Amino acid sequence: EVQLLESGGGLVQPGVSLRLSCAGSGFTFRGYAMSWVRQAPGKGLEWVSSITSGGDSTYYADSVKGRFTISRDNAKNTLYLQMNSLRAEDTALFYCAKELPVVGATVFDSWGQGTLVTVSS
Amino acid sequence: EIVMTQSPATLSVSPGERAALSCRASHNCNNNLAWYQQKVGQAPRLLIYGASTRATGIPARFSGSGSGTEFTLTISGLQSEDFAVYYCQQYNSWPQLTFGGGTKVEIK
Repeated sequence: EVQLLESGGGLVQPGVSLRLSCAGSGFTFRGYAMSWVRQAPGKGLEWVSSITSGGDSTYYADSVKGRFTISRDNAKNTLYLQMNSLRAEDTALFYCAKELPVVGATVFDSWGQGTLVTVSS
Repeated sequence: EIVMTQSPATLSVSPGERAALSCRASHNCNNNLAWYQQKVGQAPRLLIYGASTRATGIPARFSGSGSGTEFTLTISGLQSEDFAVYYCQQYNSWPQLTFGGGTKVEIK
């Protein structure tokens, strides 16, 4: 059974940094592209960032480009999201998601339960 | 950016009835469209991708149709566990992915 367990969220002040982690198990982690998707309280889903299976290519939403960095350690089966210069509008539940292994289909077939990031002074 | 617009925002349906949810794209998405279900306090679950292909383990009462800019998720014979929020997502403009605002299906 695929399991994704996020951690690292919390309450932080604007302008600070935070690193999220997502530990994967139950599947061959190194074989799949992975992504972060967030959901502001009471709002819809927003794609944040994706990384290829080998970590050689990364992609970002315009809203986080230049502030967030996605990375992975396949030896540790772990995905990361380094978030710098956090803003109030970054407040959200951050989900780690595994991509469906279908060519050309960037959709998410497994999700973690999320880690909450609250940015407030 | 491709903007995804879902309608209605809320759909009231009686158990056993059929529900049709709409998703409209601001630009052509071909058939690069997925649907997710999200229940309160839970992560989203993939239902449909490629506009009409059911994901593994998804019951046949869920069906997707459409292409280009107009898409529909149909739930036939609504069951109690189907009352949830549904989101569409386009991946035609990869690497920029966008979701719709969601449709809440509630008990009438």
